[in-house]
Amino acid sequence: AQSVSQHNHHVILSEAASLELGCNYSYGGTVNLFWYVQYPGQHLQLLLKYFSGDPLVKGIKGFEAEFIKSKFSFNLRKPSVQWSDTAEYFCAVTSPDTGRRALTFGSGTRLQVQP
Amino acid sequence: DVKVTQSSRYLVKRTGEKVFLECVQDMDHENMFWYRQDPGLGLRLIYFSYDVKMKEKGDIPEGYSVSREKKERFSLILESASTNQTSMYLCASSPDRDRGGEQYFGPGTRLTVT
Repeated sequence: AQSVSQHNHHVILSEAASLELGCNYSYGGTVNLFWYVQYPGQHLQLLLKYFSGDPLVKGIKGFEAEFIKSKFSFNLRKPSVQWSDTAEYFCAVTSPDTGRRALTFGSGTRLQVQP
Repeated sequence: DVKVTQSSRYLVKRTGEKVFLECVQDMDHENMFWYRQDPGLGLRLIYFSYDVKMKEKGDIPEGYSVSREKKERFSLILESASTNQTSMYLCASSPDRDRGGEQYFGPGTRLTVT
């Protein structure tokens, strides 16, 4: 079964610090990769996605992620975080060639940005 | 703008009760999903449906059933609620029939079983 690992469970940063959240997945075939964010009290919403093409993907609010196929990784980055980035971040994957339409999620990373 | 709504934000039920969680989407999406979200476990798939009256078990279907009588509506049923089903339940929908595309989530229902 496919799995997704997020090794950072809780990250605390000061404003303006750089952010990198790790995500690794287990499936060796074609994958669609996502980062979702859940701000306190709000819906889960899409931050960015990768289906194919340029492995460096830019999303909303200055976030980006890099797909490295050889490392089975899709790490999320932001050069300078803000207090408003405090949220929980989830990496997720689907694998179209297995027919699985549902997302497989990582366990999430809680980011706390201190002013 | 895609909208996924869930019938309740908070729900408190007693052990053994039958519980219905309703989800409605307004974008004519083929696929609908039920996940539960628990701290440290992320989101786990309970059931999904790719068409009316069609359903498939997800990763943790035990203790749950679903119903999809209309394209826009997907219901999750707890036949006999138990305390280990206390959780946040998220509904999602997506327009893709043949590949795993972006999913749109509802606000969630926080269910407490006492």
